[in-house]
Amino acid sequence: DGGITQSPKYLFRKEGQNVTLSCEQNLNHDAMYWYRQDPGQGLRLIYYSQIVNDFQKGDIAEGYSVSREKKESFPLTVTSAQKNPTAFYLCASTQSGGSFYEQYFGPGTRLTVT
Amino acid sequence: AQSVSQHNHHVILSEAASLELGCNYSYGGTVNLFWYVQYPGQHLQLLLKYFSGDPLVKGIKGFEAEFIKSKFSFNLRKPSVQWSDTAEYFCAVNAHSGTYKYIFGTGTRLKVLA
Repeated sequence: DGGITQSPKYLFRKEGQNVTLSCEQNLNHDAMYWYRQDPGQGLRLIYYSQIVNDFQKGDIAEGYSVSREKKESFPLTVTSAQKNPTAFYLCASTQSGGSFYEQYFGPGTRLTVT
Repeated sequence: AQSVSQHNHHVILSEAASLELGCNYSYGGTVNLFWYVQYPGQHLQLLLKYFSGDPLVKGIKGFEAEFIKSKFSFNLRKPSVQWSDTAEYFCAVNAHSGTYKYIFGTGTRLKVLA
């Protein structure tokens, strides 16, 4: 089955540690995205990538970093500089041509930092 | 900057009641419009989308939405809700500006009472 895989489903870290969230897709989509979902705030864009080896900051990129070395993979690192990292993180992808296609979402990773 | 407003944050309805969820966006150019739904414990999934043509679009599970360009609105409707429609609903916009960014509203939590 084609889709987006995010792992792990739940992640716990101590404050001050960097943590990397995995996102893999087998849909052959060019564009991939990371969102953060907080209650009452909807989905806020962290980073997105239109093609391999290229990515752009979204609206709340501070304290996060990404890489896009392979088409199917777009890992997100939550660094210790992120002031409020506890949240639900969603990865998404869309076909090339960007604006004319809907996004497909993964199941999400819930990160808790204490 | 582009933005999407969903004015109804929480809606409670009885089964068989009619539903209308508001969505307004701010962007003066051509847009693509989406409604996504997140059922409890499930992935975000597409309900319906508007790219061009007939401004009244029909989606899955009996949902429909009407694009009113003059009002910058894309309201979601369903004539008769079911208990299984209990979910969070997100409106999203993608502008024809050469960007692959999608802007999401803050979401509406719908609870349908059996």
